[in-house]
Amino acid sequence: EADIYQTPRYLVIGTGKKITLECSQTMGHDKMYWYQQDPGMELHLIHYSYGVNSTEKGDLSSESTVSRIRTEHFPLTLESARPSHTSQYLCASSDSAGYTDTQYFGPGTRLTVL
Amino acid sequence: AQSVAQPEDQVNVAEGNPLTVKCTYSVSGNPYLFWYVQYPNRGLQFLLKYITGDNLVKGSYGFEAEFNKSQTSFHLKKPSALVSDSALYFCAVRTGGGNKLTFGTGTQLKVEL
Repeated sequence: EADIYQTPRYLVIGTGKKITLECSQTMGHDKMYWYQQDPGMELHLIHYSYGVNSTEKGDLSSESTVSRIRTEHFPLTLESARPSHTSQYLCASSDSAGYTDTQYFGPGTRLTVL
Repeated sequence: AQSVAQPEDQVNVAEGNPLTVKCTYSVSGNPYLFWYVQYPNRGLQFLLKYITGDNLVKGSYGFEAEFNKSQTSFHLKKPSALVSDSALYFCAVRTGGGNKLTFGTGTQLKVEL
């Protein structure tokens, strides 16, 4: 198992609430990623970061935002949750100093917005 | 642009039989290829990767994958399937100079007694 953690694991919340999904890794990886996994199980990259104070939007447009103030922490925030945000969110990290830049994943957060 | 195709949504195999989960890819340049497994309500677990060298790559839990450049394929194999291998399997690709992984749509493997 990789040393990457996500909290909460499950979250049920009402429409309009602000939420933050936490992701932390203890491997010292410089790169971190957020994926959204839809009910069809496809993975879509929504945000990534190559280091502190570096964030980029991914391939799938998302209303969420991210920040990277510390190397080990990459939280994702939804200012106003909607039912369309219901999904599984997966965080990953990788070490660009390594030859292969292999991504390692956290256990995921399953978000349900009522 | 890079892409990955997993042509089978589901693969069924009897326990003890060999299994194959198919993956083909398209990239410009040399591919870095990965297999991940996902169990229910869990994140993705890294299984194995091909970067360069021997075309047969061995990974975790007895899995292996064969890189075939002429067929642009990277099929996942195991000589003898276990019921506990039942899970969702993802193939992924990126180029050596690229930063982002492109994932396939996933193949559900079901191993039955």
